[in-house]
Amino acid sequence: QVQLQESGPGLVKPSQTLSLTCTVSGVSVSSGTYYWTWVRQPAGKGLEWIGRVSDSGSTSYNPSLKGRVTISEDTSTNQFSLRVTSVTAADTAVYYCARYSLFYYGMDVWGQGTTVTVSS
Amino acid sequence: EIVLTQSPDTLSLSPGERATLSCRASQSVMSHYLAWYQQKPGQAPRLLISGTSSRATGIPDRFRGRGSGTDFTLTISSLEPEDFAVYYCQQYSSAQVTFGGGTKVEI
Repeated sequence: QVQLQESGPGLVKPSQTLSLTCTVSGVSVSSGTYYWTWVRQPAGKGLEWIGRVSDSGSTSYNPSLKGRVTISEDTSTNQFSLRVTSVTAADTAVYYCARYSLFYYGMDVWGQGTTVTVSS
Repeated sequence: EIVLTQSPDTLSLSPGERATLSCRASQSVMSHYLAWYQQKPGQAPRLLISGTSSRATGIPDRFRGRGSGTDFTLTISSLEPEDFAVYYCQQYSSAQVTFGGGTKVEI
């Protein structure tokens, strides 16, 4: 059974860096048939795609995040990570990691989500 | 960037009724790359439909997706109590993913 689990600080100060990790079980992040993805959702609002990393380490990001985002994978720990620099209150959201299947072309497995609040 | 516009924002229906949700794209979307998700309060989204019309594993056949080009539709033929939720469409194009703003189906 494939499972994804987000972890990281729930509180980040403005201007600092938000760092989250997604631990994957039941499948290797080295698998070529998936993109490993981050999505966020501010309270009461819709879903926003942040970006993704592939098995080869290639990345793609939402242009609206203006170069503040880095997503990387660690095959030795079977994890992938998100870094968002220079955070503001607008980055406060529930952050989800998800598996984007290149067979189905959809996000077929999601983590439970983790809430990150940006506040001093 | 392809913008997805969902309508209506809210659909107020009763159990047993038919729900029709619309997703309109600002540019043509390849059918392979259009998906629908269901999200209930406090839960992660769940994949319902991929490739415009293929139901994900375990999704009942009362959920039906269709469409092409810039116009896509999710239909729930007869609403069950557990179907009241928010629904999002999502597209993939040129290595970018975008979501629609969502439609809330409420009792």
